[in-house]
Amino acid sequence: AQKVTQAQTEISVVEKEDVTLDCVYETRDTTYYLFWYKQPPSGELVFLIRRNSFDEQNEISGRYSWNFQKSTSSFNFTITASQVVDSAVYFCALSASTDYNNDMRFGAGTRLTVKP
Amino acid sequence: IAGITQAPTSQILAAGRRMTLRCTQDMRHNAMYWYRQDLGLGLRLIHYSNTAGTTGKGEVPDGYSVSRANTDDFPLTLASAVPSQTSVYFCASSPGFPGELFFGEGSRLTVL
Repeated sequence: AQKVTQAQTEISVVEKEDVTLDCVYETRDTTYYLFWYKQPPSGELVFLIRRNSFDEQNEISGRYSWNFQKSTSSFNFTITASQVVDSAVYFCALSASTDYNNDMRFGAGTRLTVKP
Repeated sequence: IAGITQAPTSQILAAGRRMTLRCTQDMRHNAMYWYRQDLGLGLRLIHYSNTAGTTGKGEVPDGYSVSRANTDDFPLTLASAVPSQTSVYFCASSPGFPGELFFGEGSRLTVL
């Protein structure tokens, strides 16, 4: 069975601070994909990144970076120099290749509040 | 480009009533999904469809049914609503594994 755990329910930081959102996953599959989605206060869900299980290179996109470590089954998300607009709920998700149903499993989400 | 359209946006429903949430996509994606979002539980998959004419059960299918008569439409039906089905429902589509999901704006359902 697949499982995604986001242990941090809520995080609050002051603008310009760096913040890391943790994601730990469980799967028996050797081929799988990890995702991060953002849900701003307006409610829509926005795709941020996809990473496959064979690519452990870290990725950076502007102020966002992702650290994928298979040894610890983690796919953490760091926001550098946070801004108020980063306030949102962030979801980590997992999808595995042997899932006939293309089931994407989500974590419970981390609510990030960035204060001015 | 509309992407995914869900209707209604919000609905209050008496327990025991039948309700259908509508979902239409214009991206010609093969796969479509219904998730419910509840505080502290994240998004949980209700039903999915890999392609038109096929459907399958997700994590929490009880009390819900779906159909996929064509590529674009994927309605979710609550045959007899119960208060525990109060939630925000998101429809999503994907071009296929391992593509990212594209979500609708959600339907907030309250069952009294």
